[in-house]
Amino acid sequence: NAGVMQNPRHLVRRRGQEARLRCSPMKGHSHVYWYRQLPEEGLKFMVYLQKENIIDESGMPKERFSAEFPKEGPSILRIQQVVRGDSAAYFCASSPGGQPSGANVLTFGAGSRLTVL
Amino acid sequence: QKEVEQDPGPLSVPEGAIVSLNCTYSNSAFQYFMWYRQYSRKGPELLMYTYSSGNKEDGRFTAQVDKSSKYISLFIRDSQPSDSATYLCAMRTAAGNKLTFGGGTRVLVKP
Repeated sequence: NAGVMQNPRHLVRRRGQEARLRCSPMKGHSHVYWYRQLPEEGLKFMVYLQKENIIDESGMPKERFSAEFPKEGPSILRIQQVVRGDSAAYFCASSPGGQPSGANVLTFGAGSRLTVL
Repeated sequence: QKEVEQDPGPLSVPEGAIVSLNCTYSNSAFQYFMWYRQYSRKGPELLMYTYSSGNKEDGRFTAQVDKSSKYISLFIRDSQPSDSATYLCAMRTAAGNKLTFGGGTRVLVKP
């Protein structure tokens, strides 16, 4: 079992460019969560998705950020027109079904580290 | 004020000592409490979770929850250098899907 796979592991973008972060959940998991970790801060919830559905996006910034989890393929976190404040580690986690208790047993990926120049 | 407070450390202990970690929180609706370990440049790894108040033991790890004081603890017995990492507490409400994390405590276990 390859676990939660995130790519790219490191991404460098200039201000105004777009960043796309991908996450493949563990085999058999159909629930995906995105968290952001800013330097010297804890993880902050961004969005929770199931296949083809956004369940909770209460942690997503109102502008420039979007997420999807299509029927086929990985979940994508997209950041348009990046700014320096977007520099952070973005972690994806997955869980099996049976929500909300599945949120107790999240498996995290290794993260994607975005640097905005 | 943050919803979940955690001393950032670092907490330095000699090998074999007991490591004591804790978090305080302000939201009385939190019902599920987790502890994660995060090595540098890696993703968090779930150590254990507990529901409501009480104790839970798993190997060298013991988690305690005191809801009346809004205080949770993690104890690591017989600490090893491989336990050197950042430990994150997290919690959620009964119906919620999102976890609220503390800022993490960095632990150094010296051989």
